[in-house]
Amino acid sequence: GQQLNQSPQSMFIQEGEDVSMNCTSSSIFNTWLWYKQEPGEGPVLLIALYKAGELTSNGRLTAQFGITRKDSFLNISASIPSDVGIYFCAGQAAGNKLTFGGGTRVLVKP
Amino acid sequence: SAVISQKPSRDICQRGTSLTIQCQVDSQVTMMFWYRQQPGQSLTLIATANQGSEATYESGFVIDKFPISRPNLTFSTLTVSNMSPEDSSIYLCSVEGGRGKDTQYFGPGTRLTVL
Repeated sequence: GQQLNQSPQSMFIQEGEDVSMNCTSSSIFNTWLWYKQEPGEGPVLLIALYKAGELTSNGRLTAQFGITRKDSFLNISASIPSDVGIYFCAGQAAGNKLTFGGGTRVLVKP
Repeated sequence: SAVISQKPSRDICQRGTSLTIQCQVDSQVTMMFWYRQQPGQSLTLIATANQGSEATYESGFVIDKFPISRPNLTFSTLTVSNMSPEDSSIYLCSVEGGRGKDTQYFGPGTRLTVL
């Protein structure tokens, strides 16, 4: 079946830093979605990408749909403490089914 | 985006019992989905629930263990049957985004602990 490799698995942020995470797939997706999950809550949709090459921003977040349709990245600029959480990529092929990456856990540098 | 609620928000259950989780949406949706998120893991699709037809289960999930109801376009239930500690997870429902866009919105989840 389809698999999504998401990296890094975890990262530490310092306030003001730009951070980046990405997902790669062994197969093509028609849609890429990025979610953030905080403790005790369900994933919240951050950005949706529908076309290869598409670059979309949502505030300090920017995501791109890779040209090959097998990858996507998410950038967070000027990170702040409330950016802490787990970020998931998800790819959608036919039939509305989502395949999720393993998640990137964003933590604050001590 | 749709507003989705789940009940209960959390529960602690004994081995061998069953728990039914409810998912309510504030608007009519065609497709609803149930996911499992094991501790520290990502989300795995259990089944797709369409109104008026049987749920479609993913590989590794069966109807006897996870029966699903979808009586109307705003409501669904997932039952976790004959529970064991391995069923301890967060169970999440989601709905399609609508407007012809391929997105999904998630409920807050039900945190299940099986002793």
